[in-house]
Amino acid sequence: EVQLVESGGGLVQPGESLRLSCASSGFSFNLYWMTWVRQAQGMGLEWVATIKPDGTEKYHVDSVKGRFTISRDNAKNSVFLQMNSLRVEDTAVYYCVRGVRSAESFWGQGTLVTVSS
Amino acid sequence: QSVLTQPPSVSAAPGQKVTISCSGSSSNIGNDYVSWYQQLPGTAPKLLIYDNDKRPSGIPDRFSGSKSGTSGTLGITGLQTGDEADYYCGAWDSSLSGFVFGGGTKLTVL
Repeated sequence: EVQLVESGGGLVQPGESLRLSCASSGFSFNLYWMTWVRQAQGMGLEWVATIKPDGTEKYHVDSVKGRFTISRDNAKNSVFLQMNSLRVEDTAVYYCVRGVRSAESFWGQGTLVTVSS
Repeated sequence: QSVLTQPPSVSAAPGQKVTISCSGSSSNIGNDYVSWYQQLPGTAPKLLIYDNDKRPSGIPDRFSGSKSGTSGTLGITGLQTGDEADYYCGAWDSSLSGFVFGGGTKLTVL
């Protein structure tokens, strides 16, 4: 059974950092592009970042460039999102996604990040 | 303001058909495939359509997709109350070097 389990969310103050993790199981993790998508409460979906299976290509939305970094550890079947200099507007549920637009797309249940003073 | 434009809401009666449009540009839909996602209340999104018109395993054929130029369309036939959800389109944008979503369309089955 395919599983994606996000962790690392929580309440932080503006300017602080968080590292989100997504642990996968049930499939060959090293074959898939992985993506983080976020959704503020009551709002739509926003793509955050994507990483190639071997980690050699990474893409980030402009609003997080220089602050967030996507990475992966294929030996641990995990993808990460390092979030620095967090802002109130980064508050959202963050979803880990396998193959966001492929036939085998699969979404995790999400982890909530709240940035508030 | 989303890069891809969807109507905020659509509605139809059970058993009827509805279509949801997604308008983009030459840098996204015009140059790439459209995907569609369903988000039922309180749950994570799920892929409904990929590569404009293909359905992943397990998605019923009541759901269909098409693309023409810089626009995509999601069609749902035989509407059921369980289809009430938010629907999003998405595509890769070559100018932004990133994936973009539409703003979402809330489907109400009256």
